Amino acid sequence: DAGITQSPRHKVTETGTPVTLRCHQTENHRYMYWYRQDPGHGLRLIHYSYGVKDTDKGEVSDGYSVSRSKTEDFLLTLESATSSQTSVYFCAIRPGQREKLFFGSGTQLSVL
Amino acid sequence: AQRVTQPEKLLSVFKGAPVELKCNYSYSGSPELFWYVQYSRQRLQLLLRHISRESIKGFTADLNKGETSFHLKKPFAQEEDSAMYYCALLDGSGNTGKLIFGQGTTLQVKP
Repeated sequence: DAGITQSPRHKVTETGTPVTLRCHQTENHRYMYWYRQDPGHGLRLIHYSYGVKDTDKGEVSDGYSVSRSKTEDFLLTLESATSSQTSVYFCAIRPGQREKLFFGSGTQLSVL
Repeated sequence: AQRVTQPEKLLSVFKGAPVELKCNYSYSGSPELFWYVQYSRQRLQLLLRHISRESIKGFTADLNKGETSFHLKKPFAQEEDSAMYYCALLDGSGNTGKLIFGQGTTLQVKP
């Protein structure tokens, strides 16, 4: 499982509430990514990190924020959840920029 | 703009038939391309990357710069090949290691 876990695995929440998803790794890898998976869109990058406190936006970052205060944890926050953020969220890690990605199991988020 | 296009949402074939999953890309430099696969109830995992020129589970993919394509092929499909397949392009801007994914193709291999 490449030492990467996501929590929670499933979450149902209401529109307007904040939600935080956690990605935890035990590999000490530098690069971490948050993607969302939607039918017809494939995987789209939300935010990524290339080190502690070093983060940047991906192609669909509106409505999301991230934090990485420790190497092992990368948190994704939906500041005020909307129904359009209903999706499956995947975290991924890699040791170097040209190494392969290792994915977490995903978090199924439903915003009602 | 950098982009990956997988034109087929679903590809359905019979066991033993040849398979070709299409992938086209848009990239101004020298691309690095990958195929990732997601089997039912499993994590996304790397199937192959063009620079290694490997054949994994009987699959191959050849980079065609003239046609800007990286199609995934297998001569004889097996039922266990049924999965979601994603083509991906390494974003060459900066040193971020970001991957740009296509929309994905579901391969269904019928008995």
